Amino acid sequence: GEDVEQSLFLSVREGDSSVINCTYTDSSSTYLYWYKQEPGAGLQLLTYIFSNMDMKQDQRLTVLLNKKDKHLSLRIADTQTGDSAIYFCAVMDSSYKLIFGSGTRLLVRP
Amino acid sequence: DTAVSQTPKYLVTQMGNDKSIKCEQNLGHDTMYWYKQDSKKFLKIMFSYNNKELIINETVPNRFSPKSPDKAHLNLHINSLELGDSAVYFCASSQVVLAGPYPGNEQFFGPGTRLTVL
Repeated sequence: GEDVEQSLFLSVREGDSSVINCTYTDSSSTYLYWYKQEPGAGLQLLTYIFSNMDMKQDQRLTVLLNKKDKHLSLRIADTQTGDSAIYFCAVMDSSYKLIFGSGTRLLVRP
Repeated sequence: DTAVSQTPKYLVTQMGNDKSIKCEQNLGHDTMYWYKQDSKKFLKIMFSYNNKELIINETVPNRFSPKSPDKAHLNLHINSLELGDSAVYFCASSQVVLAGPYPGNEQFFGPGTRLTVL
């Protein structure tokens, strides 16, 4: 089945850019998502990308997809302390289930 | 407020007990889900119901039994609780199942129920 992997932790300074990476195994995945989880809260959908796209930009967020390498990244420009959270990559598998990575904890230092 | 709500938010219980977690959505969605998030934050789908019908049933012990009295509610009953059941359980809903992220079809998550089995 699909396997989704992320690095566990990222620390950046306020104002810098953050890049969170994700790799997946199923090349037939058609939809790829980024979710944000703040402490004690549920998951909030940030953005998504279709597999026929290479890039999607939404305000401070840029998603890059390298389908050949099965690599997805989320870039947050001008990272703020309010961006501190856990970021989950998720991939929709061939049976339309969402398969989540283990999450990357982003810490933004003032 | 339109949302996905869960009760209780925290649940602490002894091994061997039976407990239920309730979920309600007032978004008018047809599909609801239960996810389990373990201590390492790994999130995995357990069940999905579409219009009160079970459509996704992952490899979950049969001590876990979802019940959907109507399409706005999906409750999770757990029998004979074990230490390994300790986790955060998230309910979610979406407009349509078995479809991609069409506008309005993303999954909305509840705030989670933290279950601790002692």
